[in-house]
Amino acid sequence: QVQLQESGPGLVKPSQTLSLTCTVSGGSINSGGYYWSWIRQHPVKGLEWIGYIYHSGSTYYNPSLRSRVTISFDMSKNQFSLRLISVTVADTAVYYCARGSTTVIWFDPWGQGTLVTVSS
Amino acid sequence: QSVLTQPPSASGTPGQRVTISCSGSSSNIGNNDVYWYQQLPEAAPKLLIYKNNQRPSGVPDRFSGYKSGTSASLAISGLRSEDEADYYCAAWDDILTGRVLFGGGTKLAVL
Repeated sequence: QVQLQESGPGLVKPSQTLSLTCTVSGGSINSGGYYWSWIRQHPVKGLEWIGYIYHSGSTYYNPSLRSRVTISFDMSKNQFSLRLISVTVADTAVYYCARGSTTVIWFDPWGQGTLVTVSS
Repeated sequence: QSVLTQPPSASGTPGQRVTISCSGSSSNIGNNDVYWYQQLPEAAPKLLIYKNNQRPSGVPDRFSGYKSGTSASLAISGLRSEDEADYYCAAWDDILTGRVLFGGGTKLAVL
């Protein structure tokens, strides 16, 4: 059974770069047909999709975040990563990684989530 | 504010049937499949319904999804205390280059 686990700093200063890693276990990230996504949840509930990286390495980002986001693979470690530059307090959220199966939006499973706070 | 509109709260008593609505537009629900996610307290969201009305294995048949035009709904019958959670609808939105949209979420209370 595939499991995902997020890791990374819980505190980032404004204007700096947020970097998170999602480690995939129980299956290969190189398996065809999956969209490896990042999703965040702001303190007052709202879920926001950030983007995905497809097994081929192609990426697609939410237009609202496109200028600041990069998602990449580290195949040797069975991981994919999120990089968000020039963060502000509005980027404070719980960040989830998730696997999209069959379609981008079929998120299953999800990681447990990691809280990232942007503060000086 | 979410483009997919859900009521912020809903409630019911054990055994009752409750429905949660999700209203969108022609660029999202009207032209694409709807997914529903359940988020239990202190947990990550979990897929509940896919492609409008399909249940993943392990999801009880008490949960049902419906879609008509630019709206969708989630029905929970035989309400149980463990159904108390936040519920989110989601759909692809075709505007500009496209993106995944989530509803604002509905907090379900089992009284």
